[in-house]
Amino acid sequence: NAGVTQTPKFRVLKTGQSMTLLCAQDMNHEYMYWYRQDPGMGLRLIHYSVGEGTTAKGEVPDGYNVSRLKKQNFLLGLESAAPSQTSVYFCASSYSLQVPRDEAFFGQGTRLTVV
Amino acid sequence: QQQVKQSPQSLIVQKGGISIINCAYENTAFDYFPWYQQFPGKGPALLIAIRPDVSEKKEGRFTISFNKSAKQFSLHIMDSQPGDSATYFCAASNSGGGGNKLTFGTGTQLKVEL
Repeated sequence: NAGVTQTPKFRVLKTGQSMTLLCAQDMNHEYMYWYRQDPGMGLRLIHYSVGEGTTAKGEVPDGYNVSRLKKQNFLLGLESAAPSQTSVYFCASSYSLQVPRDEAFFGQGTRLTVV
Repeated sequence: QQQVKQSPQSLIVQKGGISIINCAYENTAFDYFPWYQQFPGKGPALLIAIRPDVSEKKEGRFTISFNKSAKQFSLHIMDSQPGDSATYFCAASNSGGGGNKLTFGTGTQLKVEL
């Protein structure tokens, strides 16, 4: 049982390049989230999804897009990377209809540097 | 705006001492208050959580105290150990708001010295 798996773990991008971060969960969770973590700012919600085929904006959505075509996967895209998007990105999932709980499970993070 | 304010930013405690981290929230719709523990290079992991219908919850050496009228809650770590050295985040969510979205505090770096 892997939990929440993020790919890749590290990435360096040049300004203007695009990339996609992949998150996969094997807990049959309904909700999935993308957060970014910056020093002194905690974790801030970028986008989230309450079910397959649905997405919604969080606190800091600008410059990012997401898709949830399959229940177990949540993709975060950067169309034109900027240095301000240098951060550690965390994916999380929560809530199962079979075992309703509030606990969010986090992946190991993706450290992204934009130069 | 920072809806969940956390203090202190960093904390050094001697082994065996009590670590105390405080959080204050603004949104009265919040009804779930978890604490997450994060080790370097790892994702946050749930440590303990409380709902506003109780004023205190204890799990082993970890206790949450909750003051609904003051909109404050705190984490107490009793008999602190070097293995407790990590970053701690308080958070809050509104379970009726759709998606159980967590709003995090800015984090506290705890170091427990021998």
